[in-house]
Amino acid sequence: QLQLQESGPGLVKPSETLSLTCTVSGGSISSSSYYWGWIRQPPGKGLEWIGSIYYSGSTYYNPSLKSRVTISVDTSKNQFSLKLSSVTAADTAVYYCARHSTDMTTVTTIDYWGQGTLVTVSS
Amino acid sequence: QSVLTQPPSVSAAPGQKVTISCSGSSSNIGNNYVSWYQQLPGTAPKLLIYDNNKRPSGIPDRFSGSKSGTSATLGITGLQTGDEADYYCGTWDSSLSARYVFGTGTKVTVL
Repeated sequence: QLQLQESGPGLVKPSETLSLTCTVSGGSISSSSYYWGWIRQPPGKGLEWIGSIYYSGSTYYNPSLKSRVTISVDTSKNQFSLKLSSVTAADTAVYYCARHSTDMTTVTTIDYWGQGTLVTVSS
Repeated sequence: QSVLTQPPSVSAAPGQKVTISCSGSSSNIGNNYVSWYQQLPGTAPKLLIYDNNKRPSGIPDRFSGSKSGTSATLGITGLQTGDEADYYCGTWDSSLSARYVFGTGTKVTVL
């Protein structure tokens, strides 16, 4: 059974960079039909897609966050990572990593999700 | 704000049926597959429906999905107390700002 697990600091200071890693187990991140990505959910609010990456390094980013986001992949460790720079209190959210099914031009669905990790931006 | 619009809440008694609408446009629902996600309180979202109307293994047939034009609908029959959750639609948006988009979310309450 595929499992995804987020890890990283739960508290980040304003203006600093949020960094999270997702470890994939029970399957290979180098599978040809999937992107791997991040979604966030501010407390009490809805879901916001951040972006995703293919094992080759090809990426899609949400245009509203693109200037601050970097998603990278480490196939040797079966991990992918998120960096969000210049954070503010508005970036406080539960961050989920997830597997994205793709037809190679669009994301068709998000089928496996990690349990999520709360990141609070505060001094 | 989200480009996919859902009603904030729906409710019904146990055993009854509810439907949740998801309204979009030609750049998203109109030309791409729709998925539905269930988020039970305090948990991660879970895939309920993909490719407009397909259920992953383990999802009961009480849950169904459909799409017509630029709108999609999730149906839940035989409502159970365990179905109380937030439900989100999702799809790819192929506009100049290409990205995956989620609906505004709908809270289902079992009376």
